[in-house]
Amino acid sequence: KAGVTQTPRYLIKTRGQQVTLSCSPISGHRSVSWYQQTPGQGLQFLFEYFSETQRNKGNFPGRFSGRQFSNSRSEMNVSTLELGDSALYLCASSLDPGHEQFFGPGTRLTVL
Amino acid sequence: SQQGEEDPQALSIQEGENATMNCSYKTSINNLQWYRQNSGRGLVHLILIRSNEREKHSGRLRVTLDTSKKSSSLLITASRAADTASYFCATESGGSNYKLTFGKGTLLTVNP
Repeated sequence: KAGVTQTPRYLIKTRGQQVTLSCSPISGHRSVSWYQQTPGQGLQFLFEYFSETQRNKGNFPGRFSGRQFSNSRSEMNVSTLELGDSALYLCASSLDPGHEQFFGPGTRLTVL
Repeated sequence: SQQGEEDPQALSIQEGENATMNCSYKTSINNLQWYRQNSGRGLVHLILIRSNEREKHSGRLRVTLDTSKKSSSLLITASRAADTASYFCATESGGSNYKLTFGKGTLLTVNP
């Protein structure tokens, strides 16, 4: 069974731009969670999607948004990028909310 | 905000030695999980311990949980160079708003 895939793996943007990251969960998994990892703040929960609905949201500004499609694939969007948004963005999928999460390799975003 | 706090932040040992990492948390939890991350890549789930369990083993890993002290420890026995990675504890909480809250991790270096 293929693991969680994230695209792109690396991304360089400039301040003020917007970016969309994609996550394909493990086949059969219906829940997708997103995390941001930075050296200063560590791993922080962004949001979780299940059945195309956002179930839970972390403490991030409204510039961070996401969605989930009917095939459980998920995208997250960051608008008006700031230097501090440079991070590794990790996606995790699970069968259902509350089950073991399997992480993808991450997308490393650099904002210049 | 961080729920778990790992200790030490960094640990350097020789191959064959045991490595112990500790995690403390602040609020009540459902379960506690340990993850491993190799140099800026995705997280790999190692072990889950439920709040009503005190100790759990998986191969060379031993995890303990003391809910009265709100702390957990991860012991890796007979370490290998390939165990070099960052190790994170993550607490599960929230009931219907299930989410994982990660600590900042312990960087383990196993020298050959």
